Amino acid sequence: GAVVSQHPSWVICKSGTSVKIECRSLDFQATTMFWYRQFPKQSLMLMATSNEGSKATYEQGVEKDKFLINHASLTLSTLTVTSAHPEDSSFYICSASPGTATGQYFGPGTRLTVT
Amino acid sequence: GNSVTQMEGPVTLSEEAFLTINCTYTATGYPSLFWYVQYPGEGLQLLLKATKADDKGSNKGFEATYRKETTSFHLEKGSVQVSDSAVYFCALSDSGGGADGLTFGKGTHLIIQP
Repeated sequence: GAVVSQHPSWVICKSGTSVKIECRSLDFQATTMFWYRQFPKQSLMLMATSNEGSKATYEQGVEKDKFLINHASLTLSTLTVTSAHPEDSSFYICSASPGTATGQYFGPGTRLTVT
Repeated sequence: GNSVTQMEGPVTLSEEAFLTINCTYTATGYPSLFWYVQYPGEGLQLLLKATKADDKGSNKGFEATYRKETTSFHLEKGSVQVSDSAVYFCALSDSGGGADGLTFGKGTHLIIQP
């Protein structure tokens, strides 16, 4: 149980285009979903927290107009990287939580490469 | 703000050796502490957690004790196996880990040789 999927697992896009990453909780309802970014040999950095039906809360330094997050249902959150640039190339990981005391379940991540 | 510092790897051990991966943290209040493991090609999995001082989390032979006096949460295992080879992340949360984002250490790559 408690499986979280991400799609796609990797994507290559051209500079200036937008790309959408999906995060789904497959066997539970996620009241809260999180998006993290991981650079090579670095820790995961929290980008934003989203609750179903509410606007996402972004961490300091994360551009909300560039990284659009939608949490339209209790099983789906999407991250759209708009007008992507090479510096946006990274590993993006989502997690989902069914409640405050149960912790988070992580997806396998999406590798984004912007050329 | 919150931060987590853990020993950087890679850490290479022989099978059946004793493992310690150090983790210290900085946080306001009383955070919950976690160890996550990431096997090749897979997402992070919760290995163990502790929510208050002196709590000991344990799972699959791994243990870690929440030491408030030293702000530490070191991961230990008495006898490692090749299958333990993975990247281990120490993390903290201001809540039980479900309502707030996690603050992670950089991860420690563990390699167990037969």
